[in-house]
Amino acid sequence: DVVMTQSPLSLPVTLGQPASISCRSSQSLVYSDGNIYLNWFQQRPGQSPRRLIYKISNRDSGVPDRFSGSGSGTDFTLKISRVEAEDVGVYYCMQATHWPFTFGPGTKVDIK
Amino acid sequence: QVQLVESGGGLVKPGGSLRLSCAASGFTLSDAYMTWVRQAPGKGLEYISYISIDGTDIIYADSVKGRFTISRDNAKNSLYLQMNSLRAEDTAVYYCARFARELDVWGKGTSVTVSS
Repeated sequence: DVVMTQSPLSLPVTLGQPASISCRSSQSLVYSDGNIYLNWFQQRPGQSPRRLIYKISNRDSGVPDRFSGSGSGTDFTLKISRVEAEDVGVYYCMQATHWPFTFGPGTKVDIK
Repeated sequence: QVQLVESGGGLVKPGGSLRLSCAASGFTLSDAYMTWVRQAPGKGLEYISYISIDGTDIIYADSVKGRFTISRDNAKNSLYLQMNSLRAEDTAVYYCARFARELDVWGKGTSVTVSS
């Protein structure tokens, strides 16, 4: 199985400051169709997950542009340019290239 | 708007069964692969199954293979998860989501507790 690791697992941030979450996969996520199926999800406290980013860097409709995704191969990053209070929650990366599709352990973002 | 609503969760004894449902609205279910993901209390997300548009392509995580069955009724715009031989470790919130790889829309989840 592809193992997804995230760092850090806990990320206290100051409002208005940037934040960055790293996600690494244990093998390349390039699918046979040439796509890399790497998604990022946000789960606010008490809510269901919400997709933020798909295929590494494509931001979903309605997602603020302070969120951005990047990466290639096995290393991926989610960045928040200026953290706001509503960004508190757990962020998961997920690979959907190799079955079983797997999630990272999650990074908990809270405000200092 | 596009919405998914799960139902059918509850308290069940070990070895028991439950059938979860996921009602879709705002889009045509027959246009989408569909997925079940679960989250144990205080834990992360686990992808457990997806089903193709016509139901011929189905896959399960090893943790539920042979015990859970995913199905769909496109005419009713509904997705299902039949869960048999339930174990304590199946205790979780179960979410349905649209598409297999993209998971662009999620329901609010339904809670399943397996306990004697």
